Amino acid sequence: KAGVTQTPRYLIKTRGQQVTLSCSPISGHRSVSWYQQTPGQGLQFLFEYFSETQRNKGNFPGRFSGRQFSNSRSEMNVSTLELGDSALYLCASSLATGNTIYFGEGSWLTVV
Amino acid sequence: DQQVKQNSPSLSVQEGRISILNCDYTNSMFDYFLWYKKYPAEGPTFLISISSIKDKNEDGRFTVFLNKSAKHLSLHIVPSQPGDSAVYFCAASDWGNYQLIWGAGTKLIIKP
Repeated sequence: KAGVTQTPRYLIKTRGQQVTLSCSPISGHRSVSWYQQTPGQGLQFLFEYFSETQRNKGNFPGRFSGRQFSNSRSEMNVSTLELGDSALYLCASSLATGNTIYFGEGSWLTVV
Repeated sequence: DQQVKQNSPSLSVQEGRISILNCDYTNSMFDYFLWYKKYPAEGPTFLISISSIKDKNEDGRFTVFLNKSAKHLSLHIVPSQPGDSAVYFCAASDWGNYQLIWGAGTKLIIKP
């Protein structure tokens, strides 16, 4: 069974640009959540989607957005990139609320 | 206010000995707890979980203990191996808000 797949794994963007990250959950998983991890920091919750609906959002500015498609695949978008957005962005999926979540390898974003 | 706390940023243990990682929480409504292990530049890997109806769960070298009255859980690794060197995160379920609440992580270093 394939795990959570995130693309791209690594990318470099310039300040002011926007970026879209993609996540394919484990087959059958309907809940997808996104996290940001900056060097030396823990996991900061971005948002969670279930059946195309965002059910919760973390304390991030509106530049951070996401969506989920009918096949449970999800994307997150960061607009007007800032240097501080450089981080590892992690996607996780689970069968449903209350289940263990499983992470992808993450997308490393560097903003220069 | 941090609802899940891992008060030790790092822990150094001799190979073959027991590693004990601690986690405290404040919300008595949390009913499911998880431990994840993370290597640099990779997504966290699920290790073990425990429901609030139990006080112990064991999986191979890993055992998690839950003390509900003290709002404390611990992860025991016996015996510790070099490959156990990683950052360990504990998380508690806040499924009413569709998210896990994460501790800041403890870096475990296994010395040869």
